[in-house]
Amino acid sequence: DAGVTQSPTHLIKTRGQQVTLRCSPISGHKSVSWYQQVLGQGPQFIFQYYEKEERGRGNFPDRFSARQFPNYSSELNVNALLLGDSALYLCASSLVGGVSYEQYFGPGTRLTVT
Amino acid sequence: AQRVTQPEKLLSVFKGAPVELKCNYSYSGSPELFWYVQYSRQRLQLLLRHISRESIKGFTADLNKGETSFHLKKPFAQEEDSAMYYCALYSGGYQKVTFGTGTKLQVIP
Repeated sequence: DAGVTQSPTHLIKTRGQQVTLRCSPISGHKSVSWYQQVLGQGPQFIFQYYEKEERGRGNFPDRFSARQFPNYSSELNVNALLLGDSALYLCASSLVGGVSYEQYFGPGTRLTVT
Repeated sequence: AQRVTQPEKLLSVFKGAPVELKCNYSYSGSPELFWYVQYSRQRLQLLLRHISRESIKGFTADLNKGETSFHLKKPFAQEEDSAMYYCALYSGGYQKVTFGTGTKLQVIP
């Protein structure tokens, strides 16, 4: 198993545009969480999904949304991009719901907003 | 609101010296705390969690509710311990994780 995979690796967008990031969990994992990591900071929790339902949400505006598909992969969407959205976006998967269970992180997607 | 504080951005120690990475938290409920590590060019990975009370790679961490701390300790630092370390707090009631800003540990040969 390649572990958690994320695509794309890097992305450059313009202010006001929309972006979709993708995550494939480890086979058998049913929970996916998304984090934003700005340079020099720790990861900030955005969402957690388990069994295709949102189970947790961080302090992010409604421009951020996500969903989980029947195969447990997930997408993170960000609308009306701002310069401050430039960050590394991490996805993590775990066997069960509840972020206290061991999470396995992907390599991240580096988003640059110009 | 919950908060995790890691006061040191960088901690440099000599090989064989003891290591203590500090983590303080603020949370009104019953905390569940973790340490994550990121080695150079690798993914973020779980190092240990307080409920397991285990030692991983020689590291231990004890939850001190009185001092609201969860410091990470190792008696003798190794060069391979050089990495970025993050303390994280899980607030079960809100299914939310709060990470600290991280401490870079540099072990000098």
